[in-house]
Amino acid sequence: KAGVTQTPRYLIKTRGQQVTLSCSPISGHRSVSWYQQTPGQGLQFLFEYFSETQRNKGNFPGRFSGRQFSNSRSEMNVSTLELGDSALYLCASSLDRGPNSPLHFGNGTRLTVT
Amino acid sequence: GQNIDQPTEMTATEGAIVQINCTYQTSGFNGLFWYQQHAGEAPTFLSYNVLDGLEEKGRFSSFLSRSKGYSYLLLKELQMKDSASYLCAVRDNQGGKLIFGQGTELSVKP
Repeated sequence: KAGVTQTPRYLIKTRGQQVTLSCSPISGHRSVSWYQQTPGQGLQFLFEYFSETQRNKGNFPGRFSGRQFSNSRSEMNVSTLELGDSALYLCASSLDRGPNSPLHFGNGTRLTVT
Repeated sequence: GQNIDQPTEMTATEGAIVQINCTYQTSGFNGLFWYQQHAGEAPTFLSYNVLDGLEEKGRFSSFLSRSKGYSYLLLKELQMKDSASYLCAVRDNQGGKLIFGQGTELSVKP
């Protein structure tokens, strides 16, 4: 079974631009979550989608948004990029929203903002 | 508030046993997860505890005490490939959201 796939793996953008990251969950998984990972802050929760609906949102500004499609694939968008948005963005999928459903992570998209 | 604490770094010797501690204070609790992350790679799921006690899975075991807000990950018969960051994460009451600690960087020396 294929794992979580994230594209692109690496991205370099300039301040003020916007970016869209893509995530394909494990086949059959319906919940998709996004996390930002930086050396200083560790893994920070961005949002969670289930059945095309946002179920949870972390403490990030409105410049960060996402969506989920009917096939469970998800995208996240960051507008008006800032230098501080440079990070590894990880997508994770789980079978459902049950408490004992572990998250399975993709390899991430490394975003560098210059 | 939400707070998860774990040591920043640990060093251990190949073949030995190491225990990585995690303490948490969260508004809700719906289980505790341990993940392993090698440099440049995705975090991979190691274990899940929701009830008090020890869960054993091969060389790895994880313990939970909900009354103390405390967990540990025990790694036995350490191998060089166990050098990685170990992340403690709590699932609060809100569905799929996990709150992560900063991670413990484990170095295994020959």
